[in-house]
Amino acid sequence: GAVVSQHPSRVICKSGTSVKIECRSLDFQATTMFWYRQFPKQSLMLMATSNEGSKATYEQGVEKDKFLINHASLTLSTLTVTSAHPEDSSFYICSATGLAGAPSYNEQFFGPGTRLTVL
Amino acid sequence: LAKTTQPISMDSYEGQEVNITCSHNNIATNDYITWYQQFPSQGPRFIIQGYKTKVTNEVASLFIPADRKSSTLSLPRVSLSDTAVYYCLVGGGRDDKIIFGKGTRLHILP
Repeated sequence: GAVVSQHPSRVICKSGTSVKIECRSLDFQATTMFWYRQFPKQSLMLMATSNEGSKATYEQGVEKDKFLINHASLTLSTLTVTSAHPEDSSFYICSATGLAGAPSYNEQFFGPGTRLTVL
Repeated sequence: LAKTTQPISMDSYEGQEVNITCSHNNIATNDYITWYQQFPSQGPRFIIQGYKTKVTNEVASLFIPADRKSSTLSLPRVSLSDTAVYYCLVGGGRDDKIIFGKGTRLHILP
């Protein structure tokens, strides 16, 4: 099946620093990638949708200048949390949909997630 | 985007069949129904998807009545490793954004 990886799996940083999280589709080309955030015991919250070569579309309430998304190729999207603060500590998950040929009509392939802790 | 409603939590025992029902009264004509499983600190994993009637794969079955306003995920003979959160989602296209509901926290007891 299609595999999506994320790097790093876990990151701890100091308040005020920026953190970059990579999301890669390993064996397929991803036309669209999604970024989610999940707090403990809560559901996934969609942050933004990104398409290769175009600007990301952010959900209401998500600061685009704080959460920078770059989808430079069909296999890589990055999320940069700028000037991170403790309240940004969360589990960040990406997903991707592929070109024609995905086994299910609306299947999104999810990455394993990145645990961000801001001190 | 159709909103979904599921039970917040369920308990069952090893070896039992578990049925989790999801309501989606506002499902659109071109929407599919998809179920995902999520373990703690992991990304969601696709379980099954369907449009109408019944779909079965190696891990689950999905029952969808004719009006498509609800669906039931059936897990046969569950084990302790099936303890997870299960999400029911509806969407109409490959690149449609998915809005996750609260999911059902399934706890399997020995």
